[in-house]
Amino acid sequence: AQKITQTQPGMFVQEKEAVTLDCTYDTSDQSYGLFWYKQPSSGEMIFLIYQGSYDEQNATEGRYSLNFQKARKSANLVISASQLGDSAMYFCAMREFYGGATNKLIFGTGTLLAVQP
Amino acid sequence: SAVISQKPSRDICQRGTSLTIQCQVDSQVTMMFWYRQQPGQSLTLIATANQGSEATYESGFVIDKFPISRPNLTFSTLTVSNMSPEDSSIYLCSVNGQNYGYTFGSGTRLTVV
Repeated sequence: AQKITQTQPGMFVQEKEAVTLDCTYDTSDQSYGLFWYKQPSSGEMIFLIYQGSYDEQNATEGRYSLNFQKARKSANLVISASQLGDSAMYFCAMREFYGGATNKLIFGTGTLLAVQP
Repeated sequence: SAVISQKPSRDICQRGTSLTIQCQVDSQVTMMFWYRQQPGQSLTLIATANQGSEATYESGFVIDKFPISRPNLTFSTLTVSNMSPEDSSIYLCSVNGQNYGYTFGSGTRLTVV
């Protein structure tokens, strides 16, 4: 069964520094996607970045990059040059593309990031 | 990506009553998904709603408690029935979005008193 693990309940980072949020996953499928979402205190879910299991290069989107290590089944999010507006809950998620009837998106427990001035 | 309008954004309800949450999508989508996020917790899928067929519920969720309607390809509702304080959560609808992920509505923050 697919599973997402985020071991950091909370993280602090100084403004303008980089921070890495950890995510490991478990799946028996060969074809899957990994996602990171940001949830501010308002409650909305904001898509940040996507990595496909067959993508050879790590995904990047502006200040966000995904450190994908397939053999270790990890998909860590790196935020460079942190800003105060980055303070939020961050969720790692996975979607299997075969095998599941609904191909549902499964979420980790989240990491609460606080950016300090 | 699709844009989802979800309402109400928040509500405070008496126990024993029901609340219907609506999601309107600006384009036609095959599947819509309903999630629950209990306080301080992650998102849990309640059910998948396909137009023209009954919703598929995840383990632990039943139709009598969370009836779902999907009358067309742009609209769905989730009803939280006979509410108790344990139903206090954020409820989110979502559809397939960019890069095989999901696009989410803005959420409904429900408090049951």
